[in-house]
Amino acid sequence: ELKVEQNPLFLSMQEGKNYTIYCNYSTTSDRLYWYRQDPGKSLESLFVLLSNGAVKQEGRLMASLDTKARLSTLHITAAVHDLSATYFCAVFEGSNYKLTFGKGTLLTVNP
Amino acid sequence: GAVVSQHPSRVICKSGTSVKIECRSLDFQATTMFWYRQFPKQSLMLMATSNEGSKATYEQGVEKDKFLINHASLTLSTLTVTSAHPEDSSFYICSPVSTVNEQFFGPGTRLTVL
Repeated sequence: ELKVEQNPLFLSMQEGKNYTIYCNYSTTSDRLYWYRQDPGKSLESLFVLLSNGAVKQEGRLMASLDTKARLSTLHITAAVHDLSATYFCAVFEGSNYKLTFGKGTLLTVNP
Repeated sequence: GAVVSQHPSRVICKSGTSVKIECRSLDFQATTMFWYRQFPKQSLMLMATSNEGSKATYEQGVEKDKFLINHASLTLSTLTVTSAHPEDSSFYICSPVSTVNEQFFGPGTRLTVL
């Protein structure tokens, strides 16, 4: 059974600081997703990472994937308040086309 | 981009009643539909998977007789919560998969059972 571990689960940051959220998973996968969820809302797709060494950046967020280590990171650069949300990673199980989600990281960026 | 709608967005019902949630893919065809639920401050948990025209496959611990899923067409799937109880109160999110295996998420339905 695929297990996905995210850490930290809670992250309180000052504006302007950098931080990284980690996503470890237990079995081989060729696809990993990062999503953002605002309170009361559904998921917003941020990144899909398809291969070892993949790196994608959008604004102050950068995601990377190391399939050998079964690790993805979501790096936040110079955080701003608008980034406050819950971030989920989700790993794709090709055998049954399912996504398994991490527990999520609640990010709070303080002024 | 792909547009997914869910109706209703919010519903409050009395214990013992049934609630139907509709999920529509408005500009693409969905061969597969995933239904998730999310309890407060928790992650998404997969409830069931359905393919158009076939019976749904339920995850362990999800009662198939309580959560009825119909995926009768490539643009519409429904989830009916039968005899709802307060513990069924949750955020239900549909996730259609397009014919080119892109997965999208609906805006969610907040169910509150009194």
